[in-house]
Amino acid sequence: AQTVTQSQPEMSVQEAETVTLSCTYDTSESDYYLFWYKQPPSRQMILVIRQEAYKQQNATENRFSVNFQKAAKSFSLKISDSQLGDAAMYFCAYNGGNEKLTFGTGTRLTIIP
Amino acid sequence: DTEVTQTPKHLVMGMTNKKSLKCEQHMGHRAMYWYKQKAKKPPELMFVYSYEKLSINESVPSRFSPECPNSSLLNLHLHALQPEDSALYLCASSQKPGGIHQPQHFGDGTRLSIL
Repeated sequence: AQTVTQSQPEMSVQEAETVTLSCTYDTSESDYYLFWYKQPPSRQMILVIRQEAYKQQNATENRFSVNFQKAAKSFSLKISDSQLGDAAMYFCAYNGGNEKLTFGTGTRLTIIP
Repeated sequence: DTEVTQTPKHLVMGMTNKKSLKCEQHMGHRAMYWYKQKAKKPPELMFVYSYEKLSINESVPSRFSPECPNSSLLNLHLHALQPEDSALYLCASSQKPGGIHQPQHFGDGTRLSIL
């Protein structure tokens, strides 16, 4: 079975600084997708970024980028120029094609003004 | 604005009541999902509908009854719930069942409290 591990229950960062959230996963599949979702207090789960396992190039979306290390099964999220609106719970998720998203336990990110 | 609309946003009900949660999407997605989320925990999958047919039931108690009347609508019928069923219920949709590259789009959720 696939598992997703987020070892940082809480993180904080000064506004305008950079922070990296960690995620590791375990799978025997060769093709899969990884996602980072953000859940602010408003409750909605918002897709931040996604990465295909077959692509060596790391995905980037504006201030958000990933460091995908397939051999190490690591998928970290880097947030540059942190803003107050980035404060949220961040979930790493894995999709191996069985219609199920496997989520990590989440990292609560606090932005310090 | 969310593209997946859930109603109601909040629901308080007694253990003997019958109520329904509603989820609607107009993106043409053919996979729809119900999740249960307890505070400070990740969402837990409950049901998956693929092309309007129930494809996954994660051993959910029968007091939760899903229904997919058409490709845009997903309901969750509730009856004789227990206090431990109090949680945030999230609906999600994705374009095509089994498409691993397709992200799931989530609604704002219904916060359910059982008295």
